[in-house]
Amino acid sequence: DTAVSQTPKYLVTQMGNDKSIKCEQNLGHDTMYWYKQDSKKFLKIMFSYNNKELIINETVPNRFSPKSPDKAHLNLHINSLELGDSAVYFCASSESRGPQYFGEGSWLTVV
Amino acid sequence: EDKVVQSPLSLVVHEGDTVTLNCSYEVTNFRSLLWYKQEKKAPTFLFMLTSSGIEKKSGRLSSILDKKELFSILNITATQTGDSAVYLCAVSSGPTGANSKLTFGKGITLSVRP
Repeated sequence: DTAVSQTPKYLVTQMGNDKSIKCEQNLGHDTMYWYKQDSKKFLKIMFSYNNKELIINETVPNRFSPKSPDKAHLNLHINSLELGDSAVYFCASSESRGPQYFGEGSWLTVV
Repeated sequence: EDKVVQSPLSLVVHEGDTVTLNCSYEVTNFRSLLWYKQEKKAPTFLFMLTSSGIEKKSGRLSSILDKKELFSILNITATQTGDSAVYLCAVSSGPTGANSKLTFGKGITLSVRP
């Protein structure tokens, strides 16, 4: 059983399209996160949710909108995709005081 | 702004060598320091350190934190080719656990040659 799973793993799409990435965790954690890893492999936090409530919202364009239907799911919707959005997006989850566990990543390529 | 700096950025060693990976940080509201190993996909959790001077150990890997000097080291003894990966240091900071976030360093690329 995969603890933190993301779909899709790979996504190639054209500029201007809208796309979503889904994340689910079966660890019973109360906090979930989205990170972006750019071409230089630098991981940076985008959002975090605790019990379905938005907690952290870093400086991210408002074309990116996270949604948490319940505490086991955190989805990321991206509107009007741009070339610079090409990256690997990682979902993670944790207990409030514990380490974060990562999904395998979603490779997004915008052409 | 929170900052995590890792060194060296890359390292090539031979099997059997011992390596030491460094991580220094400047953050407000420090909560913990974490080490991850990233091969091709997900960063895999190795250690979480919250107290100074207490070594954490798992097999050939060990890590220690110095909260006074604001750094941590990750040691790998008797390296194997399977240790080849990017090692990420991250610091958890925030006013509460639920508000905490991870700030990552750029990673150290370790290559272990047979």
